[in-house]
Amino acid sequence: EPEVTQTPSHQVTQMGQEVILRCVPISNHLYFYWYRQILGQKVEFLVSFYNNEISEKSEIFDDQFSVERPDGSNFTLKIRSTKLEDSAMYFCASSATVGGYEQYFGPGTRLTVT
Amino acid sequence: AQSVSQHNHHVILSEAASLELGCNYSYGGTVNLFWYVQYPGQHLQLLLKYFSGDPLVKGIKGFEAEFIKSKFSFNLRKPSVQWSDTAEYFCAVNALRGFKTIFGAGTRLFVKA
Repeated sequence: EPEVTQTPSHQVTQMGQEVILRCVPISNHLYFYWYRQILGQKVEFLVSFYNNEISEKSEIFDDQFSVERPDGSNFTLKIRSTKLEDSAMYFCASSATVGGYEQYFGPGTRLTVT
Repeated sequence: AQSVSQHNHHVILSEAASLELGCNYSYGGTVNLFWYVQYPGQHLQLLLKYFSGDPLVKGIKGFEAEFIKSKFSFNLRKPSVQWSDTAEYFCAVNALRGFKTIFGAGTRLFVKA
């Protein structure tokens, strides 16, 4: 069964550093998403991406965040200058179409900012 | 704004007990509803989903959920839980043509063997 993959599984970085989290969505999916889950809290939507542009973003997704689909398979989330409060599990998801179909989630990248 | 409320944060049951986890959502339009499960150390997996049709939906591992439109509810049930059902359960909703999925805070279920 096709699945979403994410790398790395765990990333440790120092405050102020840039990190790039990588995702490979399911190959025939068109919509891509990033969510995060701070330890002990709910899963929160960050951004959705379709047709090479952001289709929706939350208030969390400020100027320090960016997303990119650099080639036909990868989907990345960049955090420009990490803060302690960025420590969380980041989930990538993809779906075949908008609404109407469930989003398939990757295993997540645990980001620890020290 | 869309929101999802899960009634219980922690539930402890003995094996073979029946389970019902409450979920209410707030949204004025047509929605799709989901229950996801996150086993310890694993990623989110879809348990079941409701898009339209029969409001009683059956998912994997013996779970089912009932959509009651008048109550804006989508409660998860299982007649007899097993130790292996120990996990965190998330109710989620997205709008018919919306992009983001809104999650509830989750319910941690612990099943005693």
